[in-house]
Amino acid sequence: GQNIDQPTEMTATEGAIVQINCTYQTSGFNGLFWYQQHAGEAPTFLSYNVLDGLEEKGRFSSFLSRSKGYSYLLLKELQMKDSASYLCAAMDSNYQLIWGAGTKLIIKP
Amino acid sequence: NAGVTQTPKFRVLKTGQSMTLLCAQDMNHEYMYWYRQDPGMGLRLIHYSVGEGTTAKGEVPDGYNVSRLKKQNFLLGLESAAPSQTSVYFCASSLPGVDTGELFFGEGSRLTVL
Repeated sequence: GQNIDQPTEMTATEGAIVQINCTYQTSGFNGLFWYQQHAGEAPTFLSYNVLDGLEEKGRFSSFLSRSKGYSYLLLKELQMKDSASYLCAAMDSNYQLIWGAGTKLIIKP
Repeated sequence: NAGVTQTPKFRVLKTGQSMTLLCAQDMNHEYMYWYRQDPGMGLRLIHYSVGEGTTAKGEVPDGYNVSRLKKQNFLLGLESAAPSQTSVYFCASSLPGVDTGELFFGEGSRLTVL
């Protein structure tokens, strides 16, 4: 079956670094996506990885290891506005997205 | 710069009532989707469309119907609402191929079925 696993909740301190992990099992693979969703709002696209390695976008970076079925989202210099849920999604061979349940990130001052 | 617009934003229904959620996008995207989001669960695909006049079932299609008569609009219908359909519904659109992973979402429609 197809499955995405990510932690339910994480807590970090303002100014620190946090890594949110995601493991996936899909029928075929066409990429790994991360979305950010603030409470009561719609998800917004953050990043896309299809090749192994690290993609950096400002304070946010995303890593992919296809052989391990593993990705992480790295957030640096945490700000209070980063408090949100982070959704991991893998695209299967039919270009369908398989979604994880999301990781709620709580930032403390 | 409207992007994806959903109406209504909130609705309360009684069991057995029917309703339609409307989604409109102004980005000329071919693909459109209806998802539901429930606490502790990932986004679940209800139905999707890869072009005007076409629709397909997603992961949880039972109890819902859809229509895509115009490219910019995607309607989600509940014929006989049930309490299990209490959820937040998101419409999204995308380009085809691998770009289908970059979804543009509407603000969501919060539906309560009593």
